[in-house]
Amino acid sequence: ETGVTQSPTHLIKTRGQQVTLRCSSQSGHNTVSWYQQALGQGPQFIFQYYREEENGRGNFPPRFSGLQFPNYSSELNVNALELDDSALYLCASSSQTLYGYTFGSGTRLTVV
Amino acid sequence: QKEVEQDPGPLSVPEGAIVSLNCTYSNSAFQYFMWYRQYSRKGPELLMYTYSSGNKEDGRFTAQVDKSSKYISLFIRDSQPSDSATYLCAMSAIGGATNKLIFGTGTLLAVQP
Repeated sequence: ETGVTQSPTHLIKTRGQQVTLRCSSQSGHNTVSWYQQALGQGPQFIFQYYREEENGRGNFPPRFSGLQFPNYSSELNVNALELDDSALYLCASSSQTLYGYTFGSGTRLTVV
Repeated sequence: QKEVEQDPGPLSVPEGAIVSLNCTYSNSAFQYFMWYRQYSRKGPELLMYTYSSGNKEDGRFTAQVDKSSKYISLFIRDSQPSDSATYLCAMSAIGGATNKLIFGTGTLLAVQP
């Protein structure tokens, strides 16, 4: 299967809860990045994983954490959810020989 | 001041018009410049990728980079209703797979039939 797939597509959580978002990277891509896109804004870099290690982090607090698995799929975990965490969360994968990323369609998280 | 500034629009044009989308940036370390198109409820899709200054053409799309002015542009010729989407500029200081992209806020484009 080609392309980046994310699950779930939509999610509603209560403030203070924890959430896990999942991403399957495109075949042959060994790098996964996560971005947060608030309504009406451009995506903001959360962090990146390469060969199962965190390889760069944006200006997000430690309650945002992630994992990359041997098959290059990835998870984004957010603890102690806040209302401002409501956004579209995008996963993007890339390979060492490609320019730019391939993005998934995202998970829309609503925190109430 | 944001690192990347982009006019959010919305921009409405008739079918067949030439569209000009622009971004300015403040970080002189940026060397890689991209344009993404994002349809509603979808992830961004890479349209154009340019390294350093110059022009790049792909079909109806032309990307221009002027590093001396810290200004990039995307031109769409013969615009079609299917071009209606949000256009995001993005840039990074390093290339390859491990770069971190800095995005503009996006410009919402509507092409009227």
